[in-house]
Amino acid sequence: GAVVSQHPSWVICKSGTSVKIECRSLDFQATTMFWYRQFPKQSLMLMATSNEGSKATYEQGVEKDKFLINHASLTLSTLTVTSAHPEDSSFYICSAGGESYNEQFFGPGTRLTVL
Amino acid sequence: DAKTTQPNSMESNEEEPVHLPCNHSTISGTDYIHWYRQLPSQGPEYVIHGLTSNVNNRMASLAIAEDRKSSTLILHRATLRDAAVYYCILSSDYKLSFGAGTTVTVRA
Repeated sequence: GAVVSQHPSWVICKSGTSVKIECRSLDFQATTMFWYRQFPKQSLMLMATSNEGSKATYEQGVEKDKFLINHASLTLSTLTVTSAHPEDSSFYICSAGGESYNEQFFGPGTRLTVL
Repeated sequence: DAKTTQPNSMESNEEEPVHLPCNHSTISGTDYIHWYRQLPSQGPEYVIHGLTSNVNNRMASLAIAEDRKSSTLILHRATLRDAAVYYCILSSDYKLSFGAGTTVTVRA
């Protein structure tokens, strides 16, 4: 299957700083990528849909000015957590759709810890 | 999105089959039935999907009821590496809404 990578795999930052997470589709082009967040012992929650060359679509309750998404190419989407606070500490996961929208390929996730 | 109902947990012995049920009584005609699984501290992994007919792949089989209101994921011979949370998801587009899933434990 197709491979999606994320970088970094984990990051620790101080409260108030911004953190950028990269999501790359390594062997295929992804017009659409998705960003999820997962808190401990909980399921994945879709944050936003990222479309190449256009603005991301955010789910209800997700602050677009806090979670900046850029999808500049067909193989790269970035999520920037701005002015991070401890409550933003979570597991952030991206996914990319394949040629058939019936299969999504997920990245390994990025563990963010805000001190 | 139509909702799915899955048992919270299931246990199995290694080398035995595992049948994971999923109820989706409000499924629409355009909804595909997707199964993903997530191992601890990893991103989800695609398992299988189907629309109306039963499906088989190298990982599992998907049995879909004739009325499409329920389905069963079948792991033919469970291994320790199959211990994960299994999610049954309905979707007619790219978006996937994850529920709580079923936590599968495999005993050696």
